[in-house]
Amino acid sequence: AQSVTQPDIHITVSEGASLELRCNYSYGATPYLFWYVQSPGQGLQLLLKYFSGDTLVQGIKGFEAEFKRSQSSFNLRKPSVHWSDAAEYFCAVGVNDYKLSFGAGTTVTVRA
Amino acid sequence: NAGVMQNPRHLVRRRGQEARLRCSPMKGHSHVYWYRQLPEEGLKFMVYLQKENIIDESGMPKERFSAEFPKEGPSILRIQQVVRGDSAAYFCASSPTSGETQYFGPGTRLLVL
Repeated sequence: AQSVTQPDIHITVSEGASLELRCNYSYGATPYLFWYVQSPGQGLQLLLKYFSGDTLVQGIKGFEAEFKRSQSSFNLRKPSVHWSDAAEYFCAVGVNDYKLSFGAGTTVTVRA
Repeated sequence: NAGVMQNPRHLVRRRGQEARLRCSPMKGHSHVYWYRQLPEEGLKFMVYLQKENIIDESGMPKERFSAEFPKEGPSILRIQQVVRGDSAAYFCASSPTSGETQYFGPGTRLLVL
């Protein structure tokens, strides 16, 4: 069965520091991979996605993610976080053409 | 171009009542998906609909839950005889076709007292 694991439940990072959020997936075929961000009380906003091609994907708000097939990972990175990046981040894998399977999320706290 | 719209944003129901959640997809999108987010968990797929058709309802509880996407009007997720365990955030997403990126609405937060 397909699954997505986000090992870190909560991460605290200083403003201006770098951020890396881990995501591992279990899926038999080449996956479609996504990162979404959810601010408190809000819906999910797509940060970036990987379907095929270049394994380093650039997204919005200065985020990027790298697909590593050998490690079954799709980690999200940002070189320098801003206070507005405090939110919950979800990694998701496209199980088929329409069904997304989400990880449990990582909450990011940014300290001044 | 307005995004996916959901209403109400917050809904309070007593046990045994019915809850109706509405979702208007983005303009030009004819594919709608419903997900449920329980506290401290990620989103779980419930159902996938196209206009007037349920394509996949494998994530829907077998009883009390139903969904529709009529030819005209929004998609409706209906929960009959709600129980406390139904308290969750319900998110709707839409896409122009299957396999395209899903865009999410702000969600409806249901609280069952």
